[in-house]
Amino acid sequence: AQSVSQHNHHVILSEAASLELGCNYSYGGTVNLFWYVQYPGQHLQLLLKYFSGDPLVKGIKGFEAEFIKSKFSFNLRKPSVQWSDTAEYFCAVESNTGKLIFGQGTTLQVKP
Amino acid sequence: GAGVSQSPSNKVTEKGKDVELRCDPISGHTALYWYRQRLGQGLEFLIYFQGNSAPDKSGLPSDRFSAERTGESVSTLTIQRTQQEDSAVYLCASSLSGLTRYYNEQFFGPGTRLTVL
Repeated sequence: AQSVSQHNHHVILSEAASLELGCNYSYGGTVNLFWYVQYPGQHLQLLLKYFSGDPLVKGIKGFEAEFIKSKFSFNLRKPSVQWSDTAEYFCAVESNTGKLIFGQGTTLQVKP
Repeated sequence: GAGVSQSPSNKVTEKGKDVELRCDPISGHTALYWYRQRLGQGLEFLIYFQGNSAPDKSGLPSDRFSAERTGESVSTLTIQRTQQEDSAVYLCASSLSGLTRYYNEQFFGPGTRLTVL
């Protein structure tokens, strides 16, 4: 069965630090990959997505993620975090039936 | 509407009671999904509707859970004889189409926070 694993459950960073959140998935076929973000008190919203093409994808607010097929990974990165990036981040893979399989989520706390 | 809406936003119920949660998807979206988010855990798929196809119920945790969708609009998730472990945030999402290999972004509603006492 497909699954998604996020290795970091709670990350605390200072402003301007660099961020990398790990995401690994298990599925041997073609995948669509997503990062969703949930800011405090807000809806879950799409941060970025990989469907095909360039494995380095850029999303909103300066985030990017790299799809490495050989490692079954889709890590999220940002060179310099801001206090406003404090949120919960979810990695997800789209199954071959269209539903999303989510990771456990990573809570990011950025200290001003 | 502009986005996916869900009601109620909060629901507190007693163990053993039935509850009904509602989702209004974005107009024109043929695919609708229900997910559950328990405290400290990731999102868990429950059920998926795509147009007139039979729904994918593979994520429903027990036969106390059921969902219906009227055409390509409103969906209701019903939990019968609620248990304390049903306490969670129930999220609804919709997308233009959930067809296999056809990418569509899922847009999420604000969720219903269910507390079973």
